Amino acid sequence: QKEVEQNSGPLSVPEGAIASLNCTYSDRVSQSFFWYRQYSGKSPELIMSIYSNGDKEDGRFTAQLNKASQYVSLLIRDSQPSDSATYLCAVNPRMDSSYKLIFGSGTRLLVRP
Amino acid sequence: EADIYQTPRYLVIGTGKKITLECSQTMGHDKMYWYQQDPGMELHLIHYSYGVNSTEKGDLSSESTVSRIRTEHFPLTLESARPSHTSQYLCASSDQGRGEKLFFGSGTQLSVL
Repeated sequence: QKEVEQNSGPLSVPEGAIASLNCTYSDRVSQSFFWYRQYSGKSPELIMSIYSNGDKEDGRFTAQLNKASQYVSLLIRDSQPSDSATYLCAVNPRMDSSYKLIFGSGTRLLVRP
Repeated sequence: EADIYQTPRYLVIGTGKKITLECSQTMGHDKMYWYQQDPGMELHLIHYSYGVNSTEKGDLSSESTVSRIRTEHFPLTLESARPSHTSQYLCASSDQGRGEKLFFGSGTQLSVL
């Protein structure tokens, strides 16, 4: 079992719809969770971070964390074609100050005009 | 402008050659990382550094080596390139603390013939 699992997709949604991206992780003591967006041929860029159970909203993006069920999700409201990219879930599995993210393989999102 | 730079952007080289991938950042970050990413696959950490003269191997075994003589510079060296080294190499840096935000360079796409 991979430490961080994501459905590879592609997830295809029409423009204006809500895109829901999911991620599960195996290490129960994980404390920090991140969503990175990676456009084709480009480097990843951080779009959301979440540390506590519940929802965290930033513009059209909402991250949701459920530590008991070991999943984290990303909702993109009013999806735009420019949101088409691969979304990488990343988890910090350590409770100490060492910091080495573990990345999932990403979910490819396609937003149809 | 504070940034993280990688050179070269693309490199095609023959088997057995020694290569060095350059990475420099102007943000004053203590932590720097090298990731390897194949198409559609997750990022794998191959080396990291928490400061000058501090380097550690990551989770993915790699035949490459790194050095950290200056805070801003974190080069990766392959003594003898092989076709199995063909991949995308991404350099990243982050600040101390919770270290939530990784800043990535543009990457080096390496092809070994």
